[in-house]
Amino acid sequence: GESVGLHLPTLSVQEGDNSIINCAYSNSASDYFIWYKQESGKGPQFIIDIRSNMDKRQGQRVTVLLNKTVKHLSLQIAATQPGDSAVYFCAETPRSGGSYIPTFGRGTSLIVHP
Amino acid sequence: DTGVSQDPRHKITKRGQNVTFRCDPISEHNRLYWYRQTLGQGPEFLTYFQNEAQLEKSRLLSDRFSAERPKGSFSTLEIQRTEQGDSAMYLCASSLASVISYNEQFFGPGTRLTVL
Repeated sequence: GESVGLHLPTLSVQEGDNSIINCAYSNSASDYFIWYKQESGKGPQFIIDIRSNMDKRQGQRVTVLLNKTVKHLSLQIAATQPGDSAVYFCAETPRSGGSYIPTFGRGTSLIVHP
Repeated sequence: DTGVSQDPRHKITKRGQNVTFRCDPISEHNRLYWYRQTLGQGPEFLTYFQNEAQLEKSRLLSDRFSAERPKGSFSTLEIQRTEQGDSAMYLCASSLASVISYNEQFFGPGTRLTVL
């Protein structure tokens, strides 16, 4: 189940289950939304992005859903594996000058039990 | 390994000392970004370069912070007169510039700074 821990919201799942990580964003003018995975001791790693004119995008074992009406983003991971255990961040990218600078959310810790 | 390297990986310093971090981006990437990340939070943007030009700085970047990218390749981030509140992970990322779309940023492993 999902719970709010002392530092990060945490989602605990069994290996093989599907995981859904949710994120609320704030800027309705954001052009891109991105999911990153961060393992302990490493920098964030890009997983998948979605442009604001789309509502769904699929990658390998991952699907991102975007609901602009309620400013909600979700990441679905199919057949979750122990190697998926990490902190997951969503980011929105309002365009700033000539660049898209991601603004990161707080993060959700995913724990996959074998 | 994303191809972005940072040095040192860890730095412990005393309050009031100056520290300098280095980032080597992916060689063909013309954009380089610095972020700060504290425990339990997502990375916060500090500044970015396109080639050697520093194009944007966050309000988080106080006067004690300075960044350079002299030849448009590696970059340094210096913090002068460090304070305990500067303790954080400092992340570097690089990407190819685009004005029409988001281009994936590749992050380095970070430099963890502890100010005593």
